[in-house]
Amino acid sequence: AQSVTQLGSHVSVSEGALVLLRCNYSSSVPPYLFWYVQYPNQGLQLLLKYTTGATLVKGINGFEAEFKKSETSFHLTKPSAHMSDAAEYFCAVSAGNQGGKLIFGQGTELSVKP
Amino acid sequence: GAVVSQHPSRVICKSGTSVKIECRSLDFQATTMFWYRQFPKQSLMLMATSNEGSKATYEQGVEKDKFLINHASLTLSTLTVTSAHPEDSSFYICSAQGQGAAAEAFFGQGTRLTVV
Repeated sequence: AQSVTQLGSHVSVSEGALVLLRCNYSSSVPPYLFWYVQYPNQGLQLLLKYTTGATLVKGINGFEAEFKKSETSFHLTKPSAHMSDAAEYFCAVSAGNQGGKLIFGQGTELSVKP
Repeated sequence: GAVVSQHPSRVICKSGTSVKIECRSLDFQATTMFWYRQFPKQSLMLMATSNEGSKATYEQGVEKDKFLINHASLTLSTLTVTSAHPEDSSFYICSAQGQGAAAEAFFGQGTRLTVV
């Protein structure tokens, strides 16, 4: 079985500051890990994903995440926040052989202050 | 990436009526589709998994007679909320997965259902 915990339901940063959104997972099999962004009343947009291979994954809009098996973590970072980054972010996990069936974390709302 | 279209984007219905939500994969064949529900300010909860040509697999606690799922073709799955009640009001999102169990799933834009 898989589960995801996102630490912090709300994160606030200043424009230009580092963004760090935390995600820890639990999986009984090698996981696939994802980060999605959601704007109000819209669907999900995939930021990045880890399946196998390189543990540092680069995504869209300057985001990246590092898969750390020893820490069961997949934290999302961006060096410099933009106002347009304000949104809800979801970390998700799937079993490697069930790539489409996702279990989501609780979500983290990112606010960016001018 | 692949495109998944969900229709309608918003719907308001009266209590006791049924409403159908469509999820279409526009440029690929979706062997498997997933339906999620999202309450305001909450995460997405998987409701069911549907495979083309077979019965859907529902997650624990989801009423299969209330949330009817049909996946009649490789490009279309439908979710019908039957005898809707105000507590069924929610944001429903589908995703479609291509060939292969490990293939990525792509999300639709969601449907906001309001039952009055």
